[in-house]
Amino acid sequence: EVQLVESGGGLVQPGGSLRLSCAASGFSFSDYAMYWVRQAPGKGLEYVSAISYDGGSTYYANSVKGRFIISRDNSKNTVFLQMGSVSAEDMGVYFCSRVAGQQRFDYWGQGTLVTVSS
Amino acid sequence: DIVMTQTPLSSPVTLGQPTSISCRSSQSLRHSDGNTYLSWLQLRPGQPLRLLIYKVSNRFSGVPDKFSGSGAGTDFTLKISRVEAEDFGIYYCMQATQFPFTFGQGTQLEIK
Repeated sequence: EVQLVESGGGLVQPGGSLRLSCAASGFSFSDYAMYWVRQAPGKGLEYVSAISYDGGSTYYANSVKGRFIISRDNSKNTVFLQMGSVSAEDMGVYFCSRVAGQQRFDYWGQGTLVTVSS
Repeated sequence: DIVMTQTPLSSPVTLGQPTSISCRSSQSLRHSDGNTYLSWLQLRPGQPLRLLIYKVSNRFSGVPDKFSGSGAGTDFTLKISRVEAEDFGIYYCMQATQFPFTFGQGTQLEIK
C-alpha cells in the first residue's frame, strides 16, 4: 500500500526556519518525482516545490524561491522541505505528493500544519 | 501562470441526485504532446487528497464510475451521477500542462 506521511510541522516564529519531512512507503520511491503543495487557512491549494526522482532537478514557486529548499534521501525514502525566513503567508497545511506517469498526482499525504506566530 | 476558475464555489446537493462542477482555465491545457493534463481531486476532512480523474476523463484506480470527467481546451466538467454521503467534501481541478501547476479555488460539495 502506497503511503506518504508528512511530519515536522508546528509553530515557528516569523523569520524562523522549519524542516518538513515526507516519509514514503509501499512503492519504489527513487522512481518518482515528488511535490510539496500547501493550503493556507481558508484558501485553495498552491504548488510549493518539486524534485526529480534522483534529486538532480528542483523547482520552486516564485513565492518561496530563495527561502525554501527541497531535497530527498532515496536511501531513506524521504523528501524534505527546508523552510526559511518564514512569514504569515507561509502558514497552512503542507502536503506531499508523488507524481506518476501521465502527470498523475496519484497519492498524497494527510498533511502537516505549519503555524507562523510570535 | 495558468489561472483555474471553478464554479460554483459551493454546491448544496440532495443525496441521490446528480451534480456537476465546472473548471475553466485561462489558456488551453492541451500540451504540445497532444495530451490535456487536467485532473480532479477530492479533499475530505482527515483524509489525504484523493485523485479522482486525470487527463480530463480517465478515472484513477478504484474510483467508482459515478464520477466522470469531460471537456477540452479551456472548459472542463466533473460530474457525479448520484451523490452519496461519502462524496461530500471539497473538489479541486488542477492543471499539470504548464509549470507551475495550478489549482482551482475548490468547490465545497455540501448536503442540501
